[in-house]
Amino acid sequence: EVQLVESGGGLVQPGGSLRLSCAASGFTFTTYRMSWVRQPPGKGLEWVGNIKEDGNEKYYVDSVKGRFTISRDNAKNSLYLQMNSLRAEDTAVYYCARGGGTVSSWGQGTLVTVSS
Amino acid sequence: EIVLTQSPATLSLSPGERATLSCRASQSVYTSLAWYQQKPGQAPRLLIYDASNRATGIPARFSGSGSGTDFTLTISSLEPEDFAVYYCQQRTNWPYTFGQGTKLEIK
Repeated sequence: EVQLVESGGGLVQPGGSLRLSCAASGFTFTTYRMSWVRQPPGKGLEWVGNIKEDGNEKYYVDSVKGRFTISRDNAKNSLYLQMNSLRAEDTAVYYCARGGGTVSSWGQGTLVTVSS
Repeated sequence: EIVLTQSPATLSLSPGERATLSCRASQSVYTSLAWYQQKPGQAPRLLIYDASNRATGIPARFSGSGSGTDFTLTISSLEPEDFAVYYCQQRTNWPYTFGQGTKLEIK
């Protein structure tokens, strides 16, 4: 069974940093592009970015470019999202997602709240 | 950026009825379109990929059609568990984008 388990969310002040992690199991992690998708409370979905299987190619939505970094550790079957210079508008549930263009499996999400 | 516009915003139907949800793209996405279902407090679930292919485990009452800029998700006979929010999503051009969602509610 495919499992994606996010961790690392919480309350952070504007301008602060947070690192999200996603532990993957139940599939061959090294053969999938992976993504982060977010959803502000009560709103729709936004694709944050994705990373190629070997970690050498990454894409980001303009609103997070230069502030967020996606990485992966294939030896640990883990995906990460380093978020710096956080803003109020980054408040959302962040989902770890299997797939680079179509998400075939989703984690349960972790809530990031940016507020003073 | 490709904009996806879903209609209607809210659809009120009864169990057993047929549901037709629309997604229109601002430019051609060919058949690179997916549909997801999301229930309150849950992650989305993939229903349809590449416009018309059902994902693993998705019941046959869900079907997708369309190409280019106009797409449709049809639920042939609504079950109580189908009342949820539905999103379309394109993967033709980065950034990949979602529609704003259609809420399917019980009438």
